[in-house]
Amino acid sequence: AQSVTQLGSHVSVSEGALVLLRCNYSSSVPPYLFWYVQYPNQGLQLLLKYTSAATLVKGINGFEAEFKKSETSFHLTKPSAHMSDAAEYFCAVSEDNFNKFYFGSGTKLNVKP
Amino acid sequence: DGGITQSPKYLFRKEGQNVTLSCEQNLNHDAMYWYRQDPGQGLRLIYYSQIVNDFQKGDIAEGYSVSREKKESFPLTVTSAQKNPTAFYLCASSHGNEQFFGPGTRLTVL
Repeated sequence: AQSVTQLGSHVSVSEGALVLLRCNYSSSVPPYLFWYVQYPNQGLQLLLKYTSAATLVKGINGFEAEFKKSETSFHLTKPSAHMSDAAEYFCAVSEDNFNKFYFGSGTKLNVKP
Repeated sequence: DGGITQSPKYLFRKEGQNVTLSCEQNLNHDAMYWYRQDPGQGLRLIYYSQIVNDFQKGDIAEGYSVSREKKESFPLTVTSAQKNPTAFYLCASSHGNEQFFGPGTRLTVL
C-alpha cells in the first residue's frame, strides 16, 4: 500500500513570506501526486497534480510543487503568502489505475499579518 | 452547474440510530468515494464504487454500508455498529486522475 507523510501539522508564516509545506510518499510504482486545499467546513479543492510529465508543477493561486523521485518528495511552495492562503492542505498519492487515493494527515497553514 | 452535492450539511442523531448521508453528482463520473475526516488524521477511505451496482470496502468500512443503484448517487449509511460516528464525511467522484469533492456533511451523534 502507498502512504503519504506530511511533516508539520501546523505551519505559521508571515504575510509575504515563503510558504513551504512538506510531503513525502512511499510507492513501489511511479506515483501520481496531488495537493488539495480545504477551507473550514468545506470540501477539498485541487491545487495541482503531478502525472509523470514535468517535474515542476504549477497550480492555482500561485502555488507550485516539485516532484523529486530521489527524495520521494512533492513539497508545495508559494513565494509570497497571502492572508487568503490560510487553510488546511493535503498531499495525496494514487495508484496507477486511480481507483484509490491515499491522503496525508494534513498541514494547517496560518498566515500572520 | 456540474458538481457534487451532499445533504444535509449538518446532521444530528441520537446514539443507536442509523443515519443515511446523501451524495449526488452530475459530472457523469463512474467512480465515487466516501471518506471520513477527523482532526489530525486526514481523510480515511470508507467505501468506493467504480461502477453501478458494485462497490468495495475501504480502510474503515466497519459500521458503514453503501449502495450504488444509480450512477449519480452513492448514499452512505452510518449504522449503530459504528462505535464513534461523529465526524466530517466527504463524498468524491473521479474521472481519470482527478478527484472532485462535495462540500461535506458534519455528523454529530448525541
